[in-house]
Amino acid sequence: DGGITQSPKYLFRKEGQNVTLSCEQNLNHDAMYWYRQDPGQGLRLIYYSQIVNDFQKGDIAEGYSVSREKKESFPLTVTSAQKNPTAFYLCASSTTDTRSYEQYFGPGTRLTVT
Amino acid sequence: GESVGLHLPTLSVQEGDNSIINCAYSNSASDYFIWYKQESGKGPQFIIDIRSNMDKRQGQRVTVLLNKTVKHLSLQIAATQPGDSAVYFCAENFNNQGGKLIFGQGTELSVKP
Repeated sequence: DGGITQSPKYLFRKEGQNVTLSCEQNLNHDAMYWYRQDPGQGLRLIYYSQIVNDFQKGDIAEGYSVSREKKESFPLTVTSAQKNPTAFYLCASSTTDTRSYEQYFGPGTRLTVT
Repeated sequence: GESVGLHLPTLSVQEGDNSIINCAYSNSASDYFIWYKQESGKGPQFIIDIRSNMDKRQGQRVTVLLNKTVKHLSLQIAATQPGDSAVYFCAENFNNQGGKLIFGQGTELSVKP
């Protein structure tokens, strides 16, 4: 089955630790995205990448880092500099075909930092 | 300071009724719009999309209407079922943003059996 996977589903960390969230897709999509979702709010873009070895900051990139060494993978690191890291993190992918901007989402990772 | 405990707009309907979920978008240059459904604890799922050269598009039990004059988008769900209970997001794309989507706050749809 083609799709986008995120692991783990739940993640717990102590304050001051960096943590890396995994995102993998086998849809052969060029573009990948990371969003953060807080309770009762919409999705806010953290980082996105439209091609391997290139990525751009989104609206709330501070305290986060990414890499895009392979087309299939776009891991997100939540660093200790992120002031409020507890949230639901969503990864998405899409083609770069301008006929459709549909993004396909993974199941999400719920990160809790105490 | 940050807002805490924001509450989503909520729409409550009876099973079998039609639902209309509204969305005001931000950029008059947006040329693509999309609706997603998000069930609790899951990732958003695509429902339907529409380009700015259209006013209406229909899918299975869903219709999206676009009014560019007032920058308004709506999602109509016919014969709403309990399985339609979820949060619904609209999103827009405008050309100078590549593939980026700008998401609205979302509306929570609750279907009473």
